[in-house]
Amino acid sequence: GQQLNQSPQSMFIQEGEDVSMNCTSSSIFNTWLWYKQEPGEGPVLLIALYKAGELTSNGRLTAQFGITRKDSFLNISASIPSDVGIYFCAGPSGLQGAQKLVFGQGTRLTINP
Amino acid sequence: DAGVIQSPRHEVTEMGQEVTLRCKPISGHDYLFWYRQTMMRGLELLIYFNNNVPIDDSGMPEDRFSAKMPNASFSTLKIQPSEPRDSAVYFCASSFIGKRDEAFFGQGTRLTVV
Repeated sequence: GQQLNQSPQSMFIQEGEDVSMNCTSSSIFNTWLWYKQEPGEGPVLLIALYKAGELTSNGRLTAQFGITRKDSFLNISASIPSDVGIYFCAGPSGLQGAQKLVFGQGTRLTINP
Repeated sequence: DAGVIQSPRHEVTEMGQEVTLRCKPISGHDYLFWYRQTMMRGLELLIYFNNNVPIDDSGMPEDRFSAKMPNASFSTLKIQPSEPRDSAVYFCASSFIGKRDEAFFGQGTRLTVV
């Protein structure tokens, strides 16, 4: 089935730094989603992208839907301690009309104050 | 909106026992999903429902797993008999047909089978 590969797997940064992470697939996705998961909680949807080339922001977060439809990027500007968590990309796979959301392995973000 | 509500938050049970996880989706949502999260396999879709009807259960690992959705506001995931390798965090999520790709997750149930 379709798989999503995220990189990097983990990041250790200083507070205030910008963060970039990406997600790639060997097959086309028509939707890209970015979630954040904090310890002991479920994933929370950050940004949804529906159109190739689309650039969408949510506060300090910006995500882009790659032109090839096979990748997506998430950037966090001026990181703060509450940005700590695991960031997942996701997209629907399977037959059109099916509803099988597949997730990447996640990028674990750690911030040194 | 209360969001997706799962119970219990934590469950510890002995191997061979039956385990039932519960979920209340967001009111008005048409889709309900059950996911399992482990360190080794990440987030995996087990089964999903549309308008209370199971659509795809190909992710259910074995016959020991079963899921039901008797009405629009309640779903259960049952494991009988449970095994240590079932230990994981189980998430329920829901979405509505207008934005069905955008799933909202509950806080999860951490299951430990000893």
